[in-house]
Amino acid sequence: GAVVSQHPSRVICKSGTSVKIECRSLDFQATTMFWYRQFPKQSLMLMATSNEGSKATYEQGVEKDKFLINHASLTLSTLTVTSAHPEDSSFYICSARIAAGNTIYFGEGSWLTVV
Amino acid sequence: AQKVTQAQTEISVVEKEDVTLDCVYETRDTTYYLFWYKQPPSGELVFLIRRNSFDEQNEISGRYSWNFQKSTSSFNFTITASQVVDSAVYFCALSLRSSGSARQLTFGSGTQLTVLP
Repeated sequence: GAVVSQHPSRVICKSGTSVKIECRSLDFQATTMFWYRQFPKQSLMLMATSNEGSKATYEQGVEKDKFLINHASLTLSTLTVTSAHPEDSSFYICSARIAAGNTIYFGEGSWLTVV
Repeated sequence: AQKVTQAQTEISVVEKEDVTLDCVYETRDTTYYLFWYKQPPSGELVFLIRRNSFDEQNEISGRYSWNFQKSTSSFNFTITASQVVDSAVYFCALSLRSSGSARQLTFGSGTQLTVLP
């Protein structure tokens, strides 16, 4: 079946630095990718929707200058957390929608810890 | 705007018991998809089912079954003869089918299921 891969699965970074998380669709083209954030014991909250070749659409309350999303190709979207702070520590998970369908596939998620 | 409510925050059952996880949704759209996902402690989301709003037929897959009732806007999930490996957080989610929609998922708050040996 379709696979969405996220990398890295776990990352620890120092406060003030930037960290990039990649989301790849391995065997299909994804015109749309979504980035979610999940705090411990909470639900997944949509951060932004990225469409290949255009700017991402951010949900209300999500700082677009802090969470940079790039969807440069039909198989890759990246989320860069800039000037990370401990409160950015969370589980980030991406999903991708196959170009010609309604099925949405999720990546394995990335645990970010900012120390 | 759409909303998904999972009123049960935590459920504990003993192995081999049946358990039903409730999901109630709200949307003004007439065409939508409903999903159930399982999230084990490792974090990844495991897809369980997708249901089209036009298809109210209940579905059974092994020990899993789903009851979709449009009249009550509910999409409940039942695990029969639960096993310890079923312990996880289960999310119900909604996606609109309307054209032009990005079709992002709106998630419920999740239900933590613990199956005790």
